[in-house]
Amino acid sequence: ETGVTQTPRHLVMGMTNKKSLKCEQHLGHNAMYWYKQSAKKPLELMFVYNFKEQTENNSVPSRFSPECPNSSHLFLHLHTLQPEDSALYLCASSQTGQGGNQPQHFGDGTRLSIL
Amino acid sequence: TQLLEQSPQFLSIQEGENLTVYCNSSSVFSSLQWYRQEPGEGPVLLVTVVTGGEVKKLKRLTFQFGDARKDSSLHITAAQTGDTGLYLCAGGRSFGNEKLTFGTGTRLTIIP
Repeated sequence: ETGVTQTPRHLVMGMTNKKSLKCEQHLGHNAMYWYKQSAKKPLELMFVYNFKEQTENNSVPSRFSPECPNSSHLFLHLHTLQPEDSALYLCASSQTGQGGNQPQHFGDGTRLSIL
Repeated sequence: TQLLEQSPQFLSIQEGENLTVYCNSSSVFSSLQWYRQEPGEGPVLLVTVVTGGEVKKLKRLTFQFGDARKDSSLHITAAQTGDTGLYLCAGGRSFGNEKLTFGTGTRLTIIP
């Protein structure tokens, strides 16, 4: 139990579907992150939220739309995805105030498959 | 772009053997974190090193941060099957930016 819960754990969707990934953290952290993990590629940072404000968008295509209604919840809205978007999507959270020195706590990810 | 290269990319050894994996960069980081990720799970933090030359031990795992804070190593003594997993290093900066730069990863398999 890491304190970061992601749902669903697995998702299969067609390219024309719209779905959302959800992340919830129970650690009292103020920073939350979305990462994409593909085979044979390093972990790719997608978005960073700090106190509900987006502070990083790592040139992510607009078919991925994040939402952070409060410091405990993070969503990733998906629409018209491509087959190359199939990957493990990981959410993480951390304390803020010391930059990248803070450890990040990860959820177990959503395994996304695009048909 | 800050890049963290890990080597080897894959490593498969017998239980009981020793091993070292490396994390190298041309950039300076204020801290270096090591994570282990097991199948079906997210990465879990093993250790954070923050001082150049620092050595930290976690049971059979020894972590070292390079003097120039550009590289790090992880040494495992007497590997066990429970050490199997993907090992990720991640570099952090001190101020103004919460993000980590993750390495390319080393996939370790310990054979019983």
